Amino acid sequence: DQQVKQNSPSLSVQEGRISILNCDYTNSMFDYFLWYKKYPAEGPTFLISISSIKDKNEDGRFTVFLNKSAKHLSLHIVPSQPGDSAVYFCAASALLGSNYKLTFGKGTLLTVNP
Amino acid sequence: DARVTQTPRHKVTEMGQEVTMRCQPILGHNTVFWYRQTMMQGLELLAYFRNRAPLDDSGMPKDRFSAEMPDATLATLKIQPSEPRDSAVYFCASGLGTSGTARDEQFFGPGTRLTVL
Repeated sequence: DQQVKQNSPSLSVQEGRISILNCDYTNSMFDYFLWYKKYPAEGPTFLISISSIKDKNEDGRFTVFLNKSAKHLSLHIVPSQPGDSAVYFCAASALLGSNYKLTFGKGTLLTVNP
Repeated sequence: DARVTQTPRHKVTEMGQEVTMRCQPILGHNTVFWYRQTMMQGLELLAYFRNRAPLDDSGMPKDRFSAEMPDATLATLKIQPSEPRDSAVYFCASGLGTSGTARDEQFFGPGTRLTVL
């Protein structure tokens, strides 16, 4: 049972346009969300995060939106650049027992075409 | 610059053999995580440590997998005996944040690509 779902395995966007990556979750106990970016042959790197008490967090070209009622979050990249081409993982955190646990989605491969 | 290092980067072994993967977390980080990435499951958390103590290993098959932190500079993930279904990329990550939990930014190593024949 996938609690964090990234339903689009891939996305292709033209340079300069907006990239929108989507993520849905099922567990209402998740209260903190993160996005990681991964290049081939490297480990994921942290991109941006958002607490469930907010609905938006912005960092430069990257903005994450959270819609708690729909259990949906999205990552917007504006403007998209070829260097943004990578796999993007959505992750969600919940307190399970006495510890926080991070659950990742399967990732979306973003390709930004010059 | 400070990075998480993992060895080996690639490992090919035969079914039934023991496999040991090593991770050196970033100096001073108090949390260490082991993840496995497969095409089918994506990134799965196997185990995590805080201040060298195991906090959660519920994602790990207990009969064949074991994770330890002999000291603050070394984390190990061992598979014995290995099986073809263990073939995956194994990532180690470390973190240091105010909460000292999985919520904090995690710094990932480059991974160990394991192939079990």
